[in-house]
Amino acid sequence: DADVTQTPRNRITKTGKRIMLECSQTKGHDRMYWYRQDPGLGLRLIYYSFDVKDINKGEISDGYSVSRQAQAKFSLSLESAIPNQTALYFCATSGPGTREDTQYFGPGTRLTVL
Amino acid sequence: GQNIDQPTEMTATEGAIVQINCTYQTSGFNGLFWYQQHAGEAPTFLSYNVLDGLEEKGRFSSFLSRSKGYSYLLLKELQMKDSASYLCAVDNTDKLIFGTGTRLQVFP
Repeated sequence: DADVTQTPRNRITKTGKRIMLECSQTKGHDRMYWYRQDPGLGLRLIYYSFDVKDINKGEISDGYSVSRQAQAKFSLSLESAIPNQTALYFCATSGPGTREDTQYFGPGTRLTVL
Repeated sequence: GQNIDQPTEMTATEGAIVQINCTYQTSGFNGLFWYQQHAGEAPTFLSYNVLDGLEEKGRFSSFLSRSKGYSYLLLKELQMKDSASYLCAVDNTDKLIFGTGTRLQVFP
């Protein structure tokens, strides 16, 4: 079984809709991250969390919100989706015991906003 | 500001050696990662450098010069499966800052 899972893997939605992307991990890591990836722009950090009570904004948090429901779960929400949020979204984890805090990535969610 | 530069695309021939460069200017530095990412897939960890010098791991090696803000990833004995994007990322205390990635195409 995969250590970091994301649901859904693909999603098409319409402008103005609320959507939630979910991430779960079985690695026992404290740190979790949400990134988006656009062609030519690389991976950009949206939000990150170092434990259940810790939430931090990343480089591009506007238009997004997150919830850390448990150590193993970190959800990303788009309250009112817009077309320029069309991207590939990755969740990642890291924590004590990983080599130099290496981040481990989920398989990604491809989101299309029409 | 934070700035990480990599070439956008590179091509090479199967069996050859290729060097992918990365230069960085960041407010903090705890180390530098290289990740491999095949199209549509998740990035996977390749290497980590925190001290100056060369780290060798099989066909892949990574070099770091902190004084120059420079790193490279060296891929030897290239195989077709090495066609992928290679991401340079700086460990900036609490988080990683990624470059835009270098897309490598390996031709027969």
